[in-house]
Amino acid sequence: DAGVTQSPTHLIKTRGQHVTLRCSPISGHKSVSWYQQVLGQGPQFIFQYYEKEERGRGNFPDRFSARQFPNYSSELNVNALLLGDSALYLCASSRTSGNNYEQYFGPGTRLTVT
Amino acid sequence: RKEVEQDPGPFNVPEGATVAFNCTYSNSASQSFFWYRQDCRKEPKLLMSVYSSGNEDGRFTAQLNRASQYISLLIRDSKLSDSATYLCVVSGGSYIPTFGRGTSLIVHP
Repeated sequence: DAGVTQSPTHLIKTRGQHVTLRCSPISGHKSVSWYQQVLGQGPQFIFQYYEKEERGRGNFPDRFSARQFPNYSSELNVNALLLGDSALYLCASSRTSGNNYEQYFGPGTRLTVT
Repeated sequence: RKEVEQDPGPFNVPEGATVAFNCTYSNSASQSFFWYRQDCRKEPKLLMSVYSSGNEDGRFTAQLNRASQYISLLIRDSKLSDSATYLCVVSGGSYIPTFGRGTSLIVHP
């Protein structure tokens, strides 16, 4: 079975630009979560979506937004990019939402903002 | 105090050694606990869930101590391939899981 897929794998953008990252969950999984990981730190939670509805939001500015489509794939959008947005963006899927779930991560999108 | 704290290490151990990591959490309402493993420049991979009664999977044992608010991971008979960063995850009453910064393990010959 295919795991979580993300695209693109790498991206270089300039400050002020906009970026869209994409994620397809494992077949049968209905929940997608997005994380930001900077070097030397653990992943930081950005959003969780389940059945196209936002179920959780981390402490990120409004420049970050996301959505989930009927096929459960998801997009993360970041507007007005800052240098500090340079990070590995990880998508994780799980069967359902809620606390007692196991998440499976995709390989990530490495974003560099110059 | 951070919500989830881990000693970043690195823990340097010889092959065959037993090594243990702890992860402390501040929210006493936390309900779910996990350990993930992350290799350099790769995604985290689920290692095991941590149940109230403890959990064992081969050489790996995870324990939960609610009174002292920490979880632990014990690795027996360490292999070179165990070298990685070990991340703990704690979830409370919301949908927001919190990762620790990870503990680096280096197993040497």
